[in-house]
Amino acid sequence: ELKVEQNPLFLSMQEGKNYTIYCNYSTTSDRLYWYRQDPGKSLESLFVLLSNGAVKQEGRLMASLDTKARLSTLHITAAVHDLSATYFCAVDSYTGNQFYFGTGTSLTVIP
Amino acid sequence: EAGVAQSPRYKIIEKRQSVAFWCNPISGHATLYWYQQILGQGPKLLIQFQNNGVVDDSQLPKDRFSAERLKGVDSTLKIQPAKLEDSAVYLCASSLGLKVHEQYFGPGTRLTVT
Repeated sequence: ELKVEQNPLFLSMQEGKNYTIYCNYSTTSDRLYWYRQDPGKSLESLFVLLSNGAVKQEGRLMASLDTKARLSTLHITAAVHDLSATYFCAVDSYTGNQFYFGTGTSLTVIP
Repeated sequence: EAGVAQSPRYKIIEKRQSVAFWCNPISGHATLYWYQQILGQGPKLLIQFQNNGVVDDSQLPKDRFSAERLKGVDSTLKIQPAKLEDSAVYLCASSLGLKVHEQYFGPGTRLTVT
């Protein structure tokens, strides 16, 4: 079974600061997804990364994928309170028939 | 464009009772997914349909869980009989196709088994 690990699990940061969330996965895959989940809400797709070296940016968030290292990062620039949420990464199995989510990173941005 | 619809939003049942959840995907989406999300964890894929056929159900506890998508549109997920450990949010998602990767999630059904 493919394992997906995120760190940190909990992150408290001040507004205006930068930080990176890491997502490691255990087997070959070149498709990595990032989702956001607000408390009591469903999941919202943030980024779809479909190849080695892929980088995508939206506002204060930037995601990248290194398939050789089996690592994706979600970088937060100049955090604002509205970014407080839980962030999940997810990976397709190589056959594409299974989909595994990470443990999640709960982010709290403090004013 | 309407999103993924699910009902009910909340359900409380006693253990050993039965429960069913309903999902209506985004119009035109061929692939439908059911996930179980236990509090504090990431979603776990239970079953995946392509039109009305099952693509993968390897993580579905088939002794108590069943799902169907008879006409390739709406889907139901049933638990019979429920156990305490089934308490979770059940999320439905859909995508245009199997190899089209962006999934759109519904609001979920929060199940509490007492």
